Amino acid sequence: GAVVSQHPSRVICKSGTSVKIECRSLDFQATTMFWYRQFPKQSLMLMATSNEGSKATYEQGVEKDKFLINHASLTLSTLTVTSAHPEDSSFYICSARDLLGRGGTDTQYFGPGTRLTVL
Amino acid sequence: QKEVEQDPGPLSVPEGAIVSLNCTYSNSAFQYFMWYRQYSRKGPELLMYTYSSGNKEDGRFTAQVDKSSKYISLFIRDSQPSDSATYLCAMSAGAQKLVFGQGTRLTINP
Repeated sequence: GAVVSQHPSRVICKSGTSVKIECRSLDFQATTMFWYRQFPKQSLMLMATSNEGSKATYEQGVEKDKFLINHASLTLSTLTVTSAHPEDSSFYICSARDLLGRGGTDTQYFGPGTRLTVL
Repeated sequence: QKEVEQDPGPLSVPEGAIVSLNCTYSNSAFQYFMWYRQYSRKGPELLMYTYSSGNKEDGRFTAQVDKSSKYISLFIRDSQPSDSATYLCAMSAGAQKLVFGQGTRLTINP
């Protein structure tokens, strides 16, 4: 149980294009999903918290107009990297909290990640 | 000073050894403690969840929380090469966000 999927797993795009990453909770409902960015050999950096049906809350220093987040249902959140540039190349990981609190308070279940390369 | 401190390693031990991974923290409001395992180029996988102080055991894994010392540990018994990964501690105060340690890279040598 508690499976989170991400699509695509890997994407290569040209500079200036937009890329959409999907995050789905497969066997549970999630009112809250999180988007992280991870650089090589570093820990997770929280980008934003996404609540179903409301606007995302972005961490300080994260450009909301560049990283658009939509959480349209209890099982799907999307991250769109707009006008991507080489410095946006990174490993993006989403996570989800079970609506029913399975796994414990504040426990997050993570997706497998999406590796974005911007040429 | 970071809220959560974790030695990044790398840590290399022989197969079968007992592994001890640790994190210290400064925020006394943290009550929920987790350990995640992350293989290279994959998302983190929840290993252990502990609420408040005490021990919790699951198979070869034991998680310990000492709130008085603001110190948590993960022990791996009879370590296997498949345990080679980065281990991340994470904790929260019940406010949804998790605060992560830097992660410890562990290698189990056959």
